[in-house]
Amino acid sequence: GQSLEQPSEVTAVEGAIVQINCTYQTSGFYGLSWYQQHDGGAPTFLSYNALDGLEETGRFSSFLSRSDSYGYLLLQELQMKDSASYFCAVRDLRGKLIFGQGTTLQVKP
Amino acid sequence: NAGVTQTPKFQVLKTGQSMTLQCAQDMNHEYMSWYRQDPGMGLRLIHYSVGAGITDQGEVPNGYNVSRSTTEDFPLRLLSAAPSQTSVYFCASSYSTGRVSGNTIYFGEGSWLTVV
Repeated sequence: GQSLEQPSEVTAVEGAIVQINCTYQTSGFYGLSWYQQHDGGAPTFLSYNALDGLEETGRFSSFLSRSDSYGYLLLQELQMKDSASYFCAVRDLRGKLIFGQGTTLQVKP
Repeated sequence: NAGVTQTPKFQVLKTGQSMTLQCAQDMNHEYMSWYRQDPGMGLRLIHYSVGAGITDQGEVPNGYNVSRSTTEDFPLRLLSAAPSQTSVYFCASSYSTGRVSGNTIYFGEGSWLTVV
């Protein structure tokens, strides 16, 4: 089966950098992705890693180490609007996508 | 371009009633799936499909049925609603993992279901 672990809550101040970690277990790994969800909204895609290393998309970066079954999402220059829940998700070779429990990020002034 | 469309957005059911949540996508995506999200929780996969005529169970399939007769539509049926099925339901779709763009999942806006 598949399972993911990520911290339940993270707090940071505006302008800071925050890292949200994710460890996973899966049989047949295709990729690790990250999603953002604001209260009452649908999840939206942020980033994706299929190979080891860092992927950068503006203020957001995502890292993957397949040998460690580990990844993280890095958010730089935090803004108040970044307050949301962040989910890591792992996809197997068939395409099935399983989500972690989510990390609630609170950005304070 | 409508993307992923879910209906209804809100629904109240009585215990034992049945209903169907509709999901349609206009992006010609092979992969479609249904998730439920309970308050303060992550998304749990109910059922998914990798193409027309193919469906498979996810993490929490009991009490739900799906079918995929066309590429565009992936309805979720609640057979006999129970209060434990009160949740927000999200439909999602993407290209297959065999395509370069298969890693981006698109979500519908959600369906809020209350079973009393």
